[in-house]
Amino acid sequence: GQQLNQSPQSMFIQEGEDVSMNCTSSSIFNTWLWYKQDPGEGPVLLIALYKAGELTSNGRLTAQFGITRKDSFLNISASIPSDVGIYFCAHSGAGSYQLTFGKGTKLSVIP
Amino acid sequence: DTGVSQNPRHKITKRGQNVTFRCDPISEHNRLYWYRQTLGQGPEFLTYFQNEAQLEKSRLLSDRFSAERPKGSFSTLEIQRTEQGDSAMYLCASSASISHAGANVLTFGAGSRLTVL
Repeated sequence: GQQLNQSPQSMFIQEGEDVSMNCTSSSIFNTWLWYKQDPGEGPVLLIALYKAGELTSNGRLTAQFGITRKDSFLNISASIPSDVGIYFCAHSGAGSYQLTFGKGTKLSVIP
Repeated sequence: DTGVSQNPRHKITKRGQNVTFRCDPISEHNRLYWYRQTLGQGPEFLTYFQNEAQLEKSRLLSDRFSAERPKGSFSTLEIQRTEQGDSAMYLCASSASISHAGANVLTFGAGSRLTVL
């Protein structure tokens, strides 16, 4: 399957700071999805991106679909303790209904 | 809409035993997926159903694994002769046949955590 490289693997930030994480691939995709997973729970969709260059916000979260269609970024502004969790990027390839996930970015917020 | 429901949430079993997990998808979703997630990894695709037909299977799905969706509603995932390497979170997800802009957006359940001793 296609490899997604997510970075950083983990990050510790102070409450109130902004956060940025990204996902890259060697292949071109038509969709990028960002999910968040809390401990012991399933992933929950945060933002879906459908075309190159698209910039979409969901509250304090903003994600962008890279122009090359090989990368995506997720930014979280003014972090709060409940932002703690693992953030995954995912994509679906052409003609397939399965999603391929990155390994995740584990976010810890220090109050 | 109660979301995707999975049972049991936790299962501890001894090596060699069989286990079965159940998934109830969102009622209007005709696609259902099983994923496996181990510690420190993202979810990995196992298999996918459209209605009652199993259309894709990953090579991760060994012959000890079988999934069914007999009436196109709920699904079961059975693991026979469990091994310690089967210990993982088993996630079910569902999606509608027509998603926004043709994208396949999955809604996940809370997962069933399997521990094989």
